[in-house]
Amino acid sequence: SQTIHQWPATLVQPVGSPLSLECTVEGTSNPNLYWYRQAAGRGLQLLFYSVGIGQISSEVPQNLSASRPQDRQFILSSKKLLLSDSGFYLCAWSVRRRPGRGSYEQYFGPGTRLTVT
Amino acid sequence: AQKITQTQPGMFVQEKEAVTLDCTYDTSDPSYGLFWYKQPSSGEMIFLIYQGSYDQQNATEGRYSLNFQKARKSANLVISASQLGDSAMYFCAMREGNAGKSTFGDGTTLTVKP
Repeated sequence: SQTIHQWPATLVQPVGSPLSLECTVEGTSNPNLYWYRQAAGRGLQLLFYSVGIGQISSEVPQNLSASRPQDRQFILSSKKLLLSDSGFYLCAWSVRRRPGRGSYEQYFGPGTRLTVT
Repeated sequence: AQKITQTQPGMFVQEKEAVTLDCTYDTSDPSYGLFWYKQPSSGEMIFLIYQGSYDQQNATEGRYSLNFQKARKSANLVISASQLGDSAMYFCAMREGNAGKSTFGDGTTLTVKP
């Protein structure tokens, strides 16, 4: 069965410090990978998605970046955190399960709660 | 324009009763998927149910069913026989395109009263 890991679970970082959040998926190959951010009491905002190694698409311009160094590894980074980067970060994966339909079920990791102080 | 609209910020339901959570969507893509997720206070996102745009019948998963009205662009979630453990935030999401990018609504907080 497939599992998705995220770490750390919680993180408190000062403004201006760097960030690295890691996500790994087990039990599947060639997944699509996604990073979302959720502000308190709000829905999820798609930040980045990747359909393959080294292929990253950014949805929202900001001071965050993403990388996919391996097939099942997705990393979210920042060189200098802002207060507005605080939130709940969720990694998700999906694979096409209905050929030709263009719709995917997404499965989420446990999330990282980031507080920038 | 908002692609996914959930008009009910909060809903209350009595235990064992049914409840409908509303969701309307907007897309010009003929191929898309509609999803509902549950997010308890722990923060995890739990997949509940899926409806494809080409599916003829409404999706059902146990106590969850999706009332899909394509012409009205609505995909309401119906939870039958509510349980206390159903208290959570519920998100409607739409997936479009080959990369499966998702758009989420702002969610509905459901509270089940004993």
